[in-house]
Amino acid sequence: GESVGLHLPTLSVQEGDNSIINCAYSNSASDYFIWYKQESGKGPQFIIDIRSNMDKRQGQRVTVLLNKTVKHLSLQIAATQPGDSAVYFCAENMSQGAQKLVFGQGTRLTINP
Amino acid sequence: GAGVSQSPSNKVTEKGKDVELRCDPISGHTALYWYRQSLGQGLEFLIYFQGNSAPDKSGLPSDRFSAERTGGSVSTLTIQRTQQEDSAVYLCASSLKKYNSPLHFGNGTRLTVT
Repeated sequence: GESVGLHLPTLSVQEGDNSIINCAYSNSASDYFIWYKQESGKGPQFIIDIRSNMDKRQGQRVTVLLNKTVKHLSLQIAATQPGDSAVYFCAENMSQGAQKLVFGQGTRLTINP
Repeated sequence: GAGVSQSPSNKVTEKGKDVELRCDPISGHTALYWYRQSLGQGLEFLIYFQGNSAPDKSGLPSDRFSAERTGGSVSTLTIQRTQQEDSAVYLCASSLKKYNSPLHFGNGTRLTVT
């Protein structure tokens, strides 16, 4: 399944499938990007980050892709599990020399058994 | 090791009252941030502390909001004369001083103004 961030804030996938969550960021000068996962009643949890000098970074079951040409960021989750159900936020650092993250509105991912 | 700790976890207050929200960052993290999250929304930056530098207050929505950080560790966010539109989850985060280090968030304080 695939989402387009602000335009499709919910995404449902079957357990075991791969999911792709997309995010369009706003500032071409942003040099750092992070994906967070937020479960109900909890604060955002860091998943993976990527710097602008890279276009791909892999973690455990997650991959982040960065396309600076079109200012697009995606999070791929492999072999989704029920515990992956949450809201996922992308964030960009728009402040050179500082660290003020600007967050997207989030995408709700639901894993169906 | 302990993560970012916020207290209280929930706060209900009457319109017009003042409230104080507390944040204990991760030990060794010199940067501290406050964000606000309204229901079903993304996170809105409020204020940022980095070491002994002057805080970046550019996100505070009005002069009723203020924050301080004592001894470079614990921070308190104060909202004076609360309004119903202040109802939200207030999230604190901390990070290492190193540029482009990820922020680590607490679980927030849910503020309800009645």
